[in-house]
Amino acid sequence: TQLLEQSPQFLSIQEGENLTVYCNSSSVFSSLQWYRQEPGEGPVLLVTVVTGGEVKKLKRLTFQFGDARKDSSLHITAAQPGDTGLYLCAVSTLQGGTSYGKLTFGQGTILTVHP
Amino acid sequence: DAEITQSPRHKITETGRQVTLACHQTWNHNNMFWYRQDLGHGLRLIHYSYGVQDTNKGEVSDGYSVSRSNTEDLPLTLESAASSQTSVYFCASSETLNTEAFFGQGTRLTVV
Repeated sequence: TQLLEQSPQFLSIQEGENLTVYCNSSSVFSSLQWYRQEPGEGPVLLVTVVTGGEVKKLKRLTFQFGDARKDSSLHITAAQPGDTGLYLCAVSTLQGGTSYGKLTFGQGTILTVHP
Repeated sequence: DAEITQSPRHKITETGRQVTLACHQTWNHNNMFWYRQDLGHGLRLIHYSYGVQDTNKGEVSDGYSVSRSNTEDLPLTLESAASSQTSVYFCASSETLNTEAFFGQGTRLTVV
């Protein structure tokens, strides 16, 4: 069983459309990260959300952390071809409240935005 | 600029051979990690290190080993390569346990 369930796994849309990617779990997390990965490259951090209900915006990307800190969403407004890539959510492994820096990732969402 | 580099970027090896993948970072980060990425599984942690002479097993450590003789490098060794180890391998480093992880560009390993 995956700790983090991402959906959808694949998303193919036209330029200008809006989309939402979900990251769900039955566990509670102190923080959650979203990464974007382009072909042939490593993941790059987009944002870290730490407070239940928190909303962060990065240009056309809006990230939300669930009130119970069990889930998160990434919403892209007016998608562009440059948004194409693999989007990954990740959480740090905790023991006794201390983050050990080890990341557990969701399976990822492959987004393709067509011109 | 500080960076994290992996080598080689691509490698093909035969079943049973020993293979070492290099990871070098110039940020002077104490924390370094190795992940493998496979379709449908995201990235899974293989081994990690919190400093020189420290190494720890991750989620999928069987068949892999690491050593940390200095701050900058964490080489990953496949003792006897198996076809199941065909994957893309990513090295990452972070300054503290609660900060951003920086990833290398990956090594695509094919075991035939």
